[in-house]
Amino acid sequence: ETGVTQSPTHLIKTRGQQVTLRCSSQSGHNTVSWYQQALGQGPQFIFQYYREEENGRGNFPPRFSGLQFPNYSSELNVNALELDDSALYLCASSSSYRVPAYFGPGTRLTVL
Amino acid sequence: GNSVTQMEGPVTLSEEAFLTINCTYTATGYPSLFWYVQYPGEGLQLLLKATKADDKGSNKGFEATYRKETTSFHLEKGSVQVSDSAVYFCALNDQGAQKLVFGQGTRLTINP
Repeated sequence: ETGVTQSPTHLIKTRGQQVTLRCSSQSGHNTVSWYQQALGQGPQFIFQYYREEENGRGNFPPRFSGLQFPNYSSELNVNALELDDSALYLCASSSSYRVPAYFGPGTRLTVL
Repeated sequence: GNSVTQMEGPVTLSEEAFLTINCTYTATGYPSLFWYVQYPGEGLQLLLKATKADDKGSNKGFEATYRKETTSFHLEKGSVQVSDSAVYFCALNDQGAQKLVFGQGTRLTINP
């Protein structure tokens, strides 16, 4: 049991729609990171939140946005979905600036 | 930019065989190096890490040595088990940077 949970497990959307993915971090962890994992590829860093502020961003357009709440849970929002957004989205939590030890099982997003 | 290259998979071995999964990296500065493992149906979890040259990370019988001269961090295990079947990811993290940079992953299957 890693303590990092994500919802939903699977999601199907059509191009142009918007989606919100959710992550509950492990107890005591104040940092959440989001990654995109395309099929057959390694995860790619989207952004990180520390104490409700964005604290680093990868090479993703502004239509990828996020939030972190006072309980340190987090959301990833993607607007104007494109076919290439189809991927597994992973969330990881950690304490302060530590590298995450555990990732959640991910949300599989399919864009048609 | 920083990058990680892993040996092409998939890799199939018999139980008790010796395992090597190659990983090389390109980075400015002095990154920390990691191996993550993703068991079927689960999220990634940190297997081992090394933070400076010549450090050896080890866990669950797996080992990897940070080789600055060859920019490598190969994963080894002397005797694999069926339960080691998973996808293995090599990653780096620049000092002070918030993101992990992953390789593409190597799928390992161990046959009894």
